[in-house]
Amino acid sequence: GENVEQHPSTLSVQEGDSAVIKCTYSDSASNYFPWYKQELGKGPQLIIDIRSNVGEKKDQRIAVTLNKTAKHFSLHITETQPEDSAVYFCAAEGYSSASKIIFGSGTRLSIRP
Amino acid sequence: DGGITQSPKYLFRKEGQNVTLSCEQNLNHDAMYWYRQDPGQGLRLIYYSQIVNDFQKGDIAEGYSVSREKKESFPLTVTSAQKNPTAFYLCASSGQGVQETQYFGPGTRLLVL
Repeated sequence: GENVEQHPSTLSVQEGDSAVIKCTYSDSASNYFPWYKQELGKGPQLIIDIRSNVGEKKDQRIAVTLNKTAKHFSLHITETQPEDSAVYFCAAEGYSSASKIIFGSGTRLSIRP
Repeated sequence: DGGITQSPKYLFRKEGQNVTLSCEQNLNHDAMYWYRQDPGQGLRLIYYSQIVNDFQKGDIAEGYSVSREKKESFPLTVTSAQKNPTAFYLCASSGQGVQETQYFGPGTRLLVL
């Protein structure tokens, strides 16, 4: 079935440094790739998404890149701040399974002061 | 305030008992979803509904049931047939279409006594 793999599962970076989270997907028909941020005890919240007609999208300190040929997409957070500490999920549009959106397993990002 | 609410925040289930989790949205969204979240795993789709009085099974529907009698409400019942119900349950809503942003509620944590 369709699958989204996410790495790393945990990531610790110094405040002010950059963080990168990588995902791969299996369904070449996927055209929509959202990223969600989940703070402790809360529901996930969309932070950025990208569609397959572009290779990169930026929103302030957050950027996402997409390589459709390799079926890879990545989240980049620059100048990390303490409030960036959270669990981040990548996701991809699903077709062959019942799920509309297939989620990765999540990355717990910790920002060290 | 527009948003999606879930209640209760914590729920305890006894052996053999059915319990119902509430999800309400005032975003005027057609589509609503229920996900299950286990530690170290991504979100897995239980059920979804694209329109009132209609719903479809997700990837892990066994042991769960739903109803969609009103546009703004999508309650989930965890039945006694669900042998491992301990998890964090998330409800979401969106406009029609896979590429519409899903907005999540704050979640309900279900624990078994």
